[in-house]
Amino acid sequence: GENVEQHPSTLSVQEGDSAVIKCTYSDSASNYFPWYKQELGKGPQLIIDIRSNVGEKKDQRIAVTLNKTAKHFSLHITETQPEDSAVYFCAAHRGSTLGRLYFGRGTQLTVWP
Amino acid sequence: DGGITQSPKYLFRKEGQNVTLSCEQNLNHDAMYWYRQDPGQGLRLIYYSQIVNDFQKGDIAEGYSVSREKKESFPLTVTSAQKNPTAFYLCASREDRGRDTQYFGPGTRLTVL
Repeated sequence: GENVEQHPSTLSVQEGDSAVIKCTYSDSASNYFPWYKQELGKGPQLIIDIRSNVGEKKDQRIAVTLNKTAKHFSLHITETQPEDSAVYFCAAHRGSTLGRLYFGRGTQLTVWP
Repeated sequence: DGGITQSPKYLFRKEGQNVTLSCEQNLNHDAMYWYRQDPGQGLRLIYYSQIVNDFQKGDIAEGYSVSREKKESFPLTVTSAQKNPTAFYLCASREDRGRDTQYFGPGTRLTVL
């Protein structure tokens, strides 16, 4: 099956700095890559996603880049704020596997004021 | 107010007892999923269902059972055969017809004493 690896597991940044989280995947058939943000005690919330026919997507302070050749994708958060502090998960979707997602292990992001 | 609801938010059970976690969605989504979350482990798939009266095992189905008698409901039973049931359980749903995004409920934290 698909294997998604996510780094780093923890990330601390100063408010206003940028944060980057990286994921790699193993199956070249994967074609959809969502990112989720999970606050303590809550369910994950989709924050941005990208499909394999696009190299980059941006939504205000959040952007995702995808390198299909290298099989890796990254989440970029600019001008970080304390409310960005949460656990972030990347995931990959193989189109032929009935919609199931394969998740990375998560990154705990802490933004210090 | 559309969305996914899980109940209860916290659940305590004695060892050896079966327990059923509720998941309901009013999004008219076809597919539903159950995940287990442990610290540092990311999200692991327990069971998923694409349509009513049909479901498939995920990666860690042992000790769990599900049913899908209605489109909007996908209850998960944690049986006494599950060796380490204490965890945070997340339900998700996805609209089929080529849409890949999964939306999560708020989760149920199960503690077995």
